[in-house]
Amino acid sequence: GEDVEQSLFLSVREGDSSVINCTYTDSSSTYLYWYKQEPGAGLQLLTYIFSNMDMKQDQRLTVLLNKKDKHLSLRIADTQTGDSAIYFCAERSGGYNKLIFGAGTRLAVHP
Amino acid sequence: GAVVSQHPSWVICKSGTSVKIECRSLDFQATTMFWYRQFPKQSLMLMATSNEGSKATYEQGVEKDKFLINHASLTLSTLTVTSAHPEDSSFYICSAPSESYEQYFGPGTRLTVT
Repeated sequence: GEDVEQSLFLSVREGDSSVINCTYTDSSSTYLYWYKQEPGAGLQLLTYIFSNMDMKQDQRLTVLLNKKDKHLSLRIADTQTGDSAIYFCAERSGGYNKLIFGAGTRLAVHP
Repeated sequence: GAVVSQHPSWVICKSGTSVKIECRSLDFQATTMFWYRQFPKQSLMLMATSNEGSKATYEQGVEKDKFLINHASLTLSTLTVTSAHPEDSSFYICSAPSESYEQYFGPGTRLTVT
């Protein structure tokens, strides 16, 4: 079945890079997404990558996709305190628009 | 980017009453919308797919008579929690996919049943 896994917690120093990892099981996934959720708020779409791409960069965000290993990562360069939030990885399976989410990685940025 | 709104953002109701939550796509049409439920410090659990002009599709384990979904138009889906109980207290989030495969989420509705 479909399953998405993430590490639950990451702590980084302000100014360093953060790398959040995600693995998924559905080889038919067409799109993979990264969302950010701040306390008490909804989900903010950060970026997404199509399954035929290896990398996508958008300002401070870099997404790497290893389709063979079903591994997705999100790198945040020059991490700031405002980046502290929960980051969810999600896969869009097959021909359906529904998303399957990982448990979320809580990113804590300290001075 | 596209905007999805939800109303209300927060609701408190008494046990046994029903609560309706609205989800609107503000600047695009959505033939499909999704309803998720999120418990504190947990991930989003897909509850159902709302389909304009037809019945909703519920995920396994979700009671369709408990969580009524109506996709009234191409920009509006509603979720009604019927005969609410304290265990229904949760954060309910809707989403809608755009034509470019991006999926946008509403800000969420926090339901507290007393």
